[in-house]
Amino acid sequence: DQQVKQNSPSLSVQEGRISILNCDYTNSMFDYFLWYKKYPAEGPTFLISISSIKDKNEDGRFTVFLNKSAKHLSLHIVPSQPGDSAVYFCAAKLDTDKLIFGTGTRLQVFP
Amino acid sequence: ETGVTQSPTHLIKTRGQQVTLRCSSQSGHNTVSWYQQALGQGPQFIFQYYREEENGRGNFPPRFSGLQFPNYSSELNVNALELDDSALYLCASSSIGISDTQYFGPGTRLTVL
Repeated sequence: DQQVKQNSPSLSVQEGRISILNCDYTNSMFDYFLWYKKYPAEGPTFLISISSIKDKNEDGRFTVFLNKSAKHLSLHIVPSQPGDSAVYFCAAKLDTDKLIFGTGTRLQVFP
Repeated sequence: ETGVTQSPTHLIKTRGQQVTLRCSSQSGHNTVSWYQQALGQGPQFIFQYYREEENGRGNFPPRFSGLQFPNYSSELNVNALELDDSALYLCASSSIGISDTQYFGPGTRLTVL
């Protein structure tokens, strides 16, 4: 039972354009959401997070949007850069501090 | 500020053996969580340690066990290794009650032959 889903395994975007990565979840009890970026042979690196009481959080080029009624969140990267090429994981937290991850979306930013 | 570190980087074991993986948490953090990431999948929660006690467990059998020490570092032990245990094992540290964000180490790649 996949509680956090990233339905797009890959995404290819031109440098300078917007990258939009999507994530859907099924459990309305999730109270915190996070995005991580992962390069090969490295651990996930924390990018940005959002509490379930908010609908938007921004940090530089990265913005996360949360739509609780649709149980959907998205990560926007503007402008996209070649160094953003990585696998992006969406994660959701229950009150026990356990993170539940999606399967990831591989983003490729080309010149 | 020192980040999360893990050792060893890579490990090769044979089926039936036992393995111990180690993790040092980020300075100021009191909680360590362990995850298993199989190829092509997202990390799966194994368990979490807070104040040297297990503070939650995922859907993993009892042959996966752990410890947390007074300095908040942690060990993951896996007994009777199976081929399916081959994965990247990730440790994450956080501070319960201060922040909901978990910070990950580089992981240990375990191969079971």
